[in-house]
Amino acid sequence: KQEVTQIPAALSVPEGENLVLNCSFTDSAIYNLQWFRQDPGKGLTSLLLIQSSQREQTSGRLNASLDKSSGRSTLYIAASQPGDSATYLCAVSRTSYDKVIFGPGTSLSVIP
Amino acid sequence: KAGVTQTPRYLIKTRGQQVTLSCSPISGHRSVSWYQQTPGQGLQFLFEYFSETQRNKGNFPGRFSGRQFSNSRSEMNVSTLELGDSALYLCASSLIALGQETQYFGPGTRLLVL
Repeated sequence: KQEVTQIPAALSVPEGENLVLNCSFTDSAIYNLQWFRQDPGKGLTSLLLIQSSQREQTSGRLNASLDKSSGRSTLYIAASQPGDSATYLCAVSRTSYDKVIFGPGTSLSVIP
Repeated sequence: KAGVTQTPRYLIKTRGQQVTLSCSPISGHRSVSWYQQTPGQGLQFLFEYFSETQRNKGNFPGRFSGRQFSNSRSEMNVSTLELGDSALYLCASSLIALGQETQYFGPGTRLLVL
């Protein structure tokens, strides 16, 4: 059974810092991994999707890496801003048509 | 292009009642998934519909059911509500396959069971 964990559960950093969020999964046989952002009381916004054959994806100040063999992914946020404050969730799927399993999320607070 | 819409946004029910939630996917998207989000259990997959057929199902009791119409709109029904069903219910749509491409989430329906 696939289990997804995220460390840390919460993180508070001063504005401008670079930071790394971690995601681990127990079954390395994944199809892809996605990172989402959720603002309080709202739905999720997709940030990055990494296919199992890829090592990383970049979008603006965000960079996500994937190491299938070790069951890990990291989300790197450069030059953090107060607007980055949100909960960040990672999610994996076993096949292209399988359900998506989410991690518990990391709550990020960027202090001005 | 309009995003995923969910109605109603907020709902208050009492134990034993039933509730129906609605989700309209992005135009052209054929896959609709439903999730339950609670502080204790996080985001849990309920089920996914594609072309009016349930294609995937999570580990929820039979009180939770859903359907999808020919226009891809989906409804989720919860019968005999329990206090523990209080949660944010999110639906997400994708073009074809929920595990293959980006999912687009709606704002959610917040259900409170008293």
